Amino acid sequence: QSALTQPRSVSGSPGQSVAISCTATSSDVGSYNYVSWYQHRPGKAPKLVIYDVSKRPSGVPDRFSGSKSGNTASLTISGLQAEDEADYYCSSYAGTWVFGGGTKLTVL
Amino acid sequence: QVQLQESGPGLVKPSQTLSLTCTVSGGSISSGSYYWSWIRQPAGKGLEWIGRVQTSGSTDYNPSLKSRVTISVDTSKNHFSLHLSSVTAADTAVYYCARWWSRSYYFDYWGQGNLVTVSP
Repeated sequence: QSALTQPRSVSGSPGQSVAISCTATSSDVGSYNYVSWYQHRPGKAPKLVIYDVSKRPSGVPDRFSGSKSGNTASLTISGLQAEDEADYYCSSYAGTWVFGGGTKLTVL
Repeated sequence: QVQLQESGPGLVKPSQTLSLTCTVSGGSISSGSYYWSWIRQPAGKGLEWIGRVQTSGSTDYNPSLKSRVTISVDTSKNHFSLHLSSVTAADTAVYYCARWWSRSYYFDYWGQGNLVTVSP
């Protein structure tokens, strides 16, 4: 059982927005501002899309945004595109690394 | 552009030692202050951090695996390695290597992963 809980799947149509939640089972997310999100397409290396809760690495479209409220962090993808279809994982550092179980995003 | 590539056997027998290497290209493993990490994902489960090494040789491991894990670095070959002893079927997973800048809390580069199956 992961220390961070994510929905197993979400879906949306092209152009829509989707949000993926990441809820801490303890203080892993709630007490720290070190939440990161990774996009993982099959057969590819995971890619960092959000770090420090809401910061975007260079080259990541501004359609990707992150936020946190209480013990729940969220990744929002607006203006969905077919290429966004992937698994998304959240992670937090709380003395050691904890990860979510992953969310499969399907673009309908 | 930094790239990481895992390599090693895809099949290991129970009770033996799993050994993987992560080769870093596009930059020197010794440049900057980075933690070079191993992360794994059993089929159908979430990611699990295994541990990390610095080029100084300093290591840190996940407490749940600490007794069985050794991570080492070879700067002359620009790679770092994972050794996991006394493996069981529960160690079957895709193993990833990743880079973590020491002044941050995220992994900025990952390898594509190496599936290791533990089976007789």
